[in-house]
Amino acid sequence: QKEVEQDPGPLSVPEGAIVSLNCTYSNSAFQYFMWYRQYSRKGPELLMYTYSSGNKEDGRFTAQVDKSSKYISLFIRDSQPSDSATYLCAMSEPGGGNKLTFGTGTQLKVEL
Amino acid sequence: DTGVSQDPRHKITKRGQNVTFRCDPISEHNRLYWYRQTLGQGPEFLTYFQNEAQLEKSRLLSDRFSAERPKGSFSTLEIQRTEQGDSAMYLCASSPTQGQGLDFGPGTRLTVT
Repeated sequence: QKEVEQDPGPLSVPEGAIVSLNCTYSNSAFQYFMWYRQYSRKGPELLMYTYSSGNKEDGRFTAQVDKSSKYISLFIRDSQPSDSATYLCAMSEPGGGNKLTFGTGTQLKVEL
Repeated sequence: DTGVSQDPRHKITKRGQNVTFRCDPISEHNRLYWYRQTLGQGPEFLTYFQNEAQLEKSRLLSDRFSAERPKGSFSTLEIQRTEQGDSAMYLCASSPTQGQGLDFGPGTRLTVT
């Protein structure tokens, strides 16, 4: 079993929809949680960063962490075609040298 | 300095040849990381440096792989005697010592024929 599980999709939604992306993890030592966006043949770009449990909002993006369930989510409101990309969750432990463990990524397509 | 840069962006090589990739991190970042990403998978950690010291290496980093960061600035990743299984995107990232999250470069796509 992988430390971080993520549904690879693909996920296809109409423009304007609310998108929900999720990851589960098994390592209870993870304290830092991130979401990256990766366009085809590009490097990952940091979207959201959350420490421990709770919610964080940035524009159309909301990240949620539920450590008791070992479950994290990313919500995208009013999705746009430009949001079409692969979304990767990533996690790290305190004192782990900032080393990230990634999920496999969920491929999202927002259609006109 | 606008971000992490990597060179080359693409490399095609024949099985058995040696290849070397270069990464230039964000100048004020003292940590530098190498990851490998294959199609349909998330990036997998290979190794990281704090300044010029290589602090951790993954089991994925076989004896054919070597990474250096001689002056604590740019880094190189060399793969000797390449195999078809080495075909992947090699990503470099950097970060400051404090804080979380990494800034990734555009990657070097390696194809071994």
